[in-house]
Amino acid sequence: GENVEQHPSTLSVQEGDSAVIKCTYSDSASNYFPWYKQELGKRPQLIIDIRSNVGEKKDQRIAVTLNKTAKHFSLHITETQPEDSAVYFCAARDSGTYKYIFGTGTRLKVLA
Amino acid sequence: GAVVSQHPSWVICKSGTSVKIECRSLDFQATTMFWYRQFPKQSLMLMATSNEGSKATYEQGVEKDKFLINHASLTLSTLTVTSAHPEDSSFYICSAWTSGDPYEQYFGPGTRLTVT
Repeated sequence: GENVEQHPSTLSVQEGDSAVIKCTYSDSASNYFPWYKQELGKRPQLIIDIRSNVGEKKDQRIAVTLNKTAKHFSLHITETQPEDSAVYFCAARDSGTYKYIFGTGTRLKVLA
Repeated sequence: GAVVSQHPSWVICKSGTSVKIECRSLDFQATTMFWYRQFPKQSLMLMATSNEGSKATYEQGVEKDKFLINHASLTLSTLTVTSAHPEDSSFYICSAWTSGDPYEQYFGPGTRLTVT
């Protein structure tokens, strides 16, 4: 089955700097890759997603890139702000079962 | 649109009792609902996939007799934790998927279960 690895597990950046989180997946049949932000005790919130037929997608300060050949995708946050501090999860969706397999999460701290 | 609710938001129960958690899609019909469990500082682990009117499909290692899932309608799925033990204490989150939007899953707010 699908396996998703995520790095780093923790990331501290200064306010205004960029943050990059990387994920790799194992199943080449996966065709959808969402990124979630989760605050303590809350539901995951979709912040950006990318489909397998696209290499890059941007939404204001957030961007995601996908390399299908290498089976990895990355989240880029620019001009980070303290409110970006949270846990971020990547996921890969199996094209046959529609299941999401989540990465292990990255705890991002933006230092003011 | 695409709102998913869960009830209760938190529950405390005694060891050996059963607890039922409801997951509802409020403004759309959910073809499929997924149940996840999340332990503190860990990722979301898929427990089972539930389709309306059919038996749930459980992930490897998840006891189907302990975690009973019923998907009686296109807007409601329930998870019953039977004979709960302290190690079942966790954050349980459901999500709903509709064939009308075949990519995104919509997450419920989660249920914090504490077994004493």
